[in-house]
Amino acid sequence: AQSVTQLDSQVPVFEEAPVELRCNYSSSVSVYLFWYVQYPNQGLQLLLKYLSGSTLVKGINGFEAEFNKSQTSFHLRKPSVHISDTAEYFCAVSDRTGANNLFFGTGTRLTVIP
Amino acid sequence: ETGVTQTPRHLVMGMTNKKSLKCEQHLGHNAMYWYKQSAKKPLELMFVYSLEERVENNSVPSRFSPECPNSSHLFLHLHTLQPEDSALYLCASSQEHKPYGYTFGSGTRLTVV
Repeated sequence: AQSVTQLDSQVPVFEEAPVELRCNYSSSVSVYLFWYVQYPNQGLQLLLKYLSGSTLVKGINGFEAEFNKSQTSFHLRKPSVHISDTAEYFCAVSDRTGANNLFFGTGTRLTVIP
Repeated sequence: ETGVTQTPRHLVMGMTNKKSLKCEQHLGHNAMYWYKQSAKKPLELMFVYSLEERVENNSVPSRFSPECPNSSHLFLHLHTLQPEDSALYLCASSQEHKPYGYTFGSGTRLTVV
């Protein structure tokens, strides 16, 4: 089975500063990786996903993530955050069978400070 | 209407009430899920339906009863709930064996009084 660790439960950052949200995964097989965002009182929205190919993946709202197989990481980055980026961010992993087995991390609360 | 729709958005119920949460997906997906999201806790997978058959039930109390009448609709029937069942209940859908991730609804905020 797979598992995901999001080391930072909360990340405060000033507006227009860069941010990195960390995600490490554990798996004995090849995986797909995802980042989701949850705004207050909303469901989860897919930000980006890594399936194969280029290890740098670009998503919506200016976010990107880099897959690092040797470090089993999939960190999320944004060069300049906006107030509207304040939300909860979830990293998730599944194996490549595509079966019903998406495993979520515990989430990182990003707070952008004006 | 597209995506995954959950109704109601908010629900307040007494411990002796019976209510149902509804989820509908318009994406042609063949798998649907119920998740529970409580404050300061990780997402808890409650039930998984694939091709309208329940394939996973993660030790959920019997006061929660899911129903999937077809691939587009999913219900969560609630009865004699406890205050600790207050949470955001999220529905999601996916296409099995396709690596597209899940599509989530906006959730039902349930408060048990």
